[in-house]
Amino acid sequence: KAGVTQTPRYLIKTRGQQVTLSCSPISGHRSVSWYQQTPGQGLQFLFEYFSETQRNKGNFPGRFSGRQFSNSRSEMNVSTLELGDSALYLCASSLGGSSSVGGTDTQYFGPGTRLTVL
Amino acid sequence: GDSVTQMEGPVTLSEEAFLTINCTYTATGYPSLFWYVQYPGEGLQLLLKATKADDKGSNKGFEATYRKETTSFHLEKGSVQVSDSAVYFCARIGGAQKLVFGQGTRLTINP
Repeated sequence: KAGVTQTPRYLIKTRGQQVTLSCSPISGHRSVSWYQQTPGQGLQFLFEYFSETQRNKGNFPGRFSGRQFSNSRSEMNVSTLELGDSALYLCASSLGGSSSVGGTDTQYFGPGTRLTVL
Repeated sequence: GDSVTQMEGPVTLSEEAFLTINCTYTATGYPSLFWYVQYPGEGLQLLLKATKADDKGSNKGFEATYRKETTSFHLEKGSVQVSDSAVYFCARIGGAQKLVFGQGTRLTINP
């Protein structure tokens, strides 16, 4: 079974631009979560989508948004890029569903998209 | 709030040494606990997990036991290899599908 895939792997943008990152989950997984990894803040949760609905959201400004399609693929968008948005953006997929309520669902990560903002 | 604390790195060991990386978590309920590993230039790989007290997760020679009484989930391996060099993250579920991570411990194994 193929793992989580993320495109593109690397991006270079300038301040003020916007960017869209894509994530394809493991086949059969309906939940997709996004995380930001930086040297200073570590790994931080952005949001989670399940069945095309945002189910959980982290503490990030509204410039960070996402969506999920009917095939469970997800995109995240960052508008008006800032230098501090430079990071590795990781997507994780899981089965979702009732098991996630009890916190026993396991998330599997993709290789990440490395975003550099100049 | 929910949090995870790992031992500070970096950790440098010789091949075949015994490894322990400490991890403690805040005791909000009985969260599932995880260890993930990140190799250079890659995403996170699930190493092992435990879903309830006294569970022992194990994989590739690594082990961790869910200790409710000490709110700990320490990672251990009896004999490390050069290929184990990576960054290790302890994590707990912080509500629904939100993973809360420790700060990561960089491990270097010298031949």
